[in-house]
Amino acid sequence: DVKVTQSSRYLVKRTGEKVFLECVQDMDHENMFWYRQDPGLGLRLIYFSYDVKMKEKGDIPEGYSVSREKKERFSLILESASTNQTSMYLCASSWLSYEQYFGPGTRLTVT
Amino acid sequence: KNEVEQSPQNLTAQEGEFITINCSYSVGISALHWLQQHPGGGIVSLFMLSSGKKKHGRLIATINIQEKHSSLHITASHPRDSAVYICAAGGGTSYGKLTFGQGTILTVHP
Repeated sequence: DVKVTQSSRYLVKRTGEKVFLECVQDMDHENMFWYRQDPGLGLRLIYFSYDVKMKEKGDIPEGYSVSREKKERFSLILESASTNQTSMYLCASSWLSYEQYFGPGTRLTVT
Repeated sequence: KNEVEQSPQNLTAQEGEFITINCSYSVGISALHWLQQHPGGGIVSLFMLSSGKKKHGRLIATINIQEKHSSLHITASHPRDSAVYICAAGGGTSYGKLTFGQGTILTVHP
């Protein structure tokens, strides 16, 4: 079974803190994605990566950066957390353009 | 106008009813995905289809490429089917990027 794990299920951070969200997949997938999910707005793509050290901006990259140093790991970084980044963050991976496998999500609250 | 639109946004049914969720898209696609998200749970992929029909248990997904329309049907619905159902359009690149609909919240009462 494909497994995508995320470092935390729940996270509470203060405004201005640097936040790291980590995602690990065990199926040697080339593609990895970071989304945020907000009520009424659905899933929105923040960044994706199609290979080690390769990244592309998604629809809402402002305030975020990413790192992919190893194929199995994709990190999302909030350089200076703000309250409008309070959200559910979901990581996913896929082989080419086939189905995406999602992690359990991290519910981040920024106070 | 969203590139992928679902209807209805909310759906309430009684156990045993036949359910249909619709998805229309305006983008070119290589495949159409249906996803399921239970309350508090992660998202799982139900179907990926580029033509015709697929069936898995009580779930059936169809797609009409010419009309840019897909449907997800649930036969003999059950309370455990209560979830958010999301359709997503996959583009033609190998990057696997998806364009998501807003989701349909389904509640099935016993």
